[in-house]
Amino acid sequence: DAGITQSPRHKVTETGTPVTLRCHQTENHRYMYWYRQDPGHGLRLIHYSYGVKDTDKGEVSDGYSVSRSKTEDFLLTLESATSSQTSVYFCAIATGTGAFGEAFFGQGTRLTVV
Amino acid sequence: GENVEQHPSTLSVQEGDSAVIKCTYSDSASNYFPWYKQELGKRPQLIIDIRSNVGEKKDQRIAVTLNKTAKHFSLHITETQPEDSAVYFCAASFLGGNQFYFGTGTSLTVIP
Repeated sequence: DAGITQSPRHKVTETGTPVTLRCHQTENHRYMYWYRQDPGHGLRLIHYSYGVKDTDKGEVSDGYSVSRSKTEDFLLTLESATSSQTSVYFCAIATGTGAFGEAFFGQGTRLTVV
Repeated sequence: GENVEQHPSTLSVQEGDSAVIKCTYSDSASNYFPWYKQELGKRPQLIIDIRSNVGEKKDQRIAVTLNKTAKHFSLHITETQPEDSAVYFCAASFLGGNQFYFGTGTSLTVIP
């Protein structure tokens, strides 16, 4: 177990409200990722981080922001939640050298925007 | 950037038969190709991976083959069992790269 936890595991929120998801790791890995998973689309990268305060956008970053103020925590914020952001969100860490090695996933957060 | 395509999107096989899932990639710089299995309601987990300096790798009933010239790689599962039923994702990345590029997944159903 690579020591990665996501919180919350489930959340229901209203349209227009901000939401923050947390990913916490215990093994000091440099790279962390946020993905969303939707039927028919697989795993789509939202944002990733390659160090404290170093982040970059993925393919579906609109409407999302991230922060990494400590190595162990990577936060994903939906600034104003919309129904299209209803999804399962996975955090992952790269346990090898950058993306050259295993991606270890958290258990996922099921977010419902009503 | 890299583009990974995965086929088929769904696959049903009889228990004991073999299953093959194929992926193609576009960036010749990619040199690491992992496969992930995701059971219903669970996280994706690495089941096997291959690096571009080898053409085939086996681990019990699963194997992965890589054709660098054609830019495709495949997952082979032999003697399938009901517990092999899951969604399988291929991915590509490269040494020095920041991102994993995932295929869209194959839902495998093994019929008892």
